[in-house]
Amino acid sequence: QKEVEQDPGPLSVPEGAIVSLNCTYSNSAFQYFMWYRQYSRKGPELLMYTYSSGNKEDGRFTAQVDKSSKYISLFIRDSQPSDSATYLCAMSEEDSNYQLIWGAGTKLIIKP
Amino acid sequence: NAGVTQTPKFRILKIGQSMTLQCAQDMNHNYMYWYRQDPGMGLKLIYYSVGAGITDKGEVPNGYNVSRSTTEDFPLRLELAAPSQTSVYFCASSYSSHTEAFFGQGTRLTVV
Repeated sequence: QKEVEQDPGPLSVPEGAIVSLNCTYSNSAFQYFMWYRQYSRKGPELLMYTYSSGNKEDGRFTAQVDKSSKYISLFIRDSQPSDSATYLCAMSEEDSNYQLIWGAGTKLIIKP
Repeated sequence: NAGVTQTPKFRILKIGQSMTLQCAQDMNHNYMYWYRQDPGMGLKLIYYSVGAGITDKGEVPNGYNVSRSTTEDFPLRLELAAPSQTSVYFCASSYSSHTEAFFGQGTRLTVV
């Protein structure tokens, strides 16, 4: 079993829909949770960053962490064609030398 | 705003050849990383460095070597290239292992 599981998709939705992207993990020591967005033929860029549990909102994006279920989510409201990309989750423990563990990424396609 | 610069962008190698992938960052980050990304597989950590003169193996180090003589540069050396090393390689840097990682544009390597 991988430490971080993420459905690779592709997930195709119409423009304006609410998108839900998810990752599950097995290591209960993870404290830092990140979502990166990767456009085709580009490097990943940080989208959302959450420490421990709870929600974080930034514009159309909301990140949720449920540590009791070992489950994190990224919601995109009013999705736009420009949101079409691969979304990768990443997480790490409190120990500063512990490296990020990455999900495989979900490819999202927003249809105009 | 250079950020993380990788060279070359593309390369075709013959089996058994060697090459060095260059990576430089201008953000004075202590942490630097080399990842490879295969289709549908997410990011796999090859090597990382927590400062000049300090390097350590990641998840998939076999067939690669690194050095970190300065804070800015973190080259990745491939010795005796094999078809299994065909991948997209990303260099990244961060202030610490659980702060935002900044990625380069990637190097697409094909070994034939």
